[in-house]
Amino acid sequence: TQLLEQSPQFLSIQEGENLTVYCNSSSVFSSLQWYRQEPGEGPVLLVTVVTGGEVKKLKRLTFQFGDARKDSSLHITAAQPGDTGLYLCAGVGAGGTSYGKLTFGQGTILTVHP
Amino acid sequence: EPEVTQTPSHQVTQMGQEVILRCVPISNHLYFYWYRQILGQKVEFLVSFYNNEISEKSEIFDDQFSVERPDGSNFTLKIRSTKLEDSAMYFCASTLTAGNTEAFFGQGTRLTVV
Repeated sequence: TQLLEQSPQFLSIQEGENLTVYCNSSSVFSSLQWYRQEPGEGPVLLVTVVTGGEVKKLKRLTFQFGDARKDSSLHITAAQPGDTGLYLCAGVGAGGTSYGKLTFGQGTILTVHP
Repeated sequence: EPEVTQTPSHQVTQMGQEVILRCVPISNHLYFYWYRQILGQKVEFLVSFYNNEISEKSEIFDDQFSVERPDGSNFTLKIRSTKLEDSAMYFCASTLTAGNTEAFFGQGTRLTVV
């Protein structure tokens, strides 16, 4: 069974601070995705990282995929109250019948105080 | 923008009753999934469906669960005899292809078994 450990589970910071969320696995995934989920809605994709060592930027968000494709991080620079929400990492199945199946981490609830 | 729609948004049912959760995936997508999220826990994979058959199912997806694509547009999840522990948010998702592609999630159905 593939598992993703996401940390921290809760993060409460002040506006303007930086933060990093981690996602670690003992398994290799074909890619790793980061989602954001608002209350009462389904997850919405932020980014997909595919290649070991890959770094992708989305405005103030920086996503990194580990060289061994087992871990990833999300770094937010100068957090804003609008960044408040639930962030989920998800590993994409590597092959066979698992192709496309998402394995989610526990999620990180981020609260950014004005 | 195309979206995945789920109905109903909230269903309350008595233990032992059958429920059918409905989803309309994005029209040109080929792969369909059901996930569930028990309150306070991670999003969990239930089943994937492609070419009118189940590709993979998790341990949660036992004989009480079934999926169907009765026509060209709907994708349903049936729970034959609901248990209290089936109470959760159920999310439908679809992808154009399998693999490193964006999964589009519906807004979810909150199932409450009493």
